[in-house]
Amino acid sequence: KAGVTQTPRYLIKTRGQQVTLSCSPISGHRSVSWYQQTPGQGLQFLFEYFSETQRNKGNFPGRFSGRQFSNSRSEMNVSTLELGDSALYLCASSHWLDGNTGELFFGEGSRLTVL
Amino acid sequence: TQLLEQSPQFLSIQEGENLTVYCNSSSVFSSLQWYRQEPGEGPVLLVTVVTGGEVKKLKRLTFQFGDARKDSSLHITAAQPGDTGLYLCAGAPYNTDKLIFGTGTRLQVFP
Repeated sequence: KAGVTQTPRYLIKTRGQQVTLSCSPISGHRSVSWYQQTPGQGLQFLFEYFSETQRNKGNFPGRFSGRQFSNSRSEMNVSTLELGDSALYLCASSHWLDGNTGELFFGEGSRLTVL
Repeated sequence: TQLLEQSPQFLSIQEGENLTVYCNSSSVFSSLQWYRQEPGEGPVLLVTVVTGGEVKKLKRLTFQFGDARKDSSLHITAAQPGDTGLYLCAGAPYNTDKLIFGTGTRLQVFP
């Protein structure tokens, strides 16, 4: 079956702009998580959605937001971009009901560069 | 505060050598996962360890979960260039369901 699809794969923005990233989970997966990956901080948890509801949120400013649609597809938005937002943004889907032992299936990521 | 510390941060070895990567925390985890990430791709799950003291083997990879469920290790025997990548441990601290990732160990295996 198709894996997790993230779009766009690469994008370049300037400071102050906003960006929207999209994630289509594996068919049947209702949980979608977002992570930010940078060389200095590693993989940092942004938020998790299940059935259109945000279940968990990481320690990121309010400029970072997300949502999930009824078909489980998810988007995340970053407003007023800063240079430090340059990163690989990874989306992962899972069968949330597996609980803590649930496997995360990751997409290839969206690489954002802020100039 | 990084709850999951991995060591070493970088590892560069020759093909055929053995290595061990450690994942440590002061928190208790109900389970720990190990992922490998290759350049240009997202992390891929290697194994999940659930029981304290558990040992799991996947071909040349051996994973162990500490008795106190605060640490884990990954041992690779006779490393191959195909083992090159970023190794990440991950877990949800006890009584939470927010999966966090370790600091990562970048492994390079030279032919």
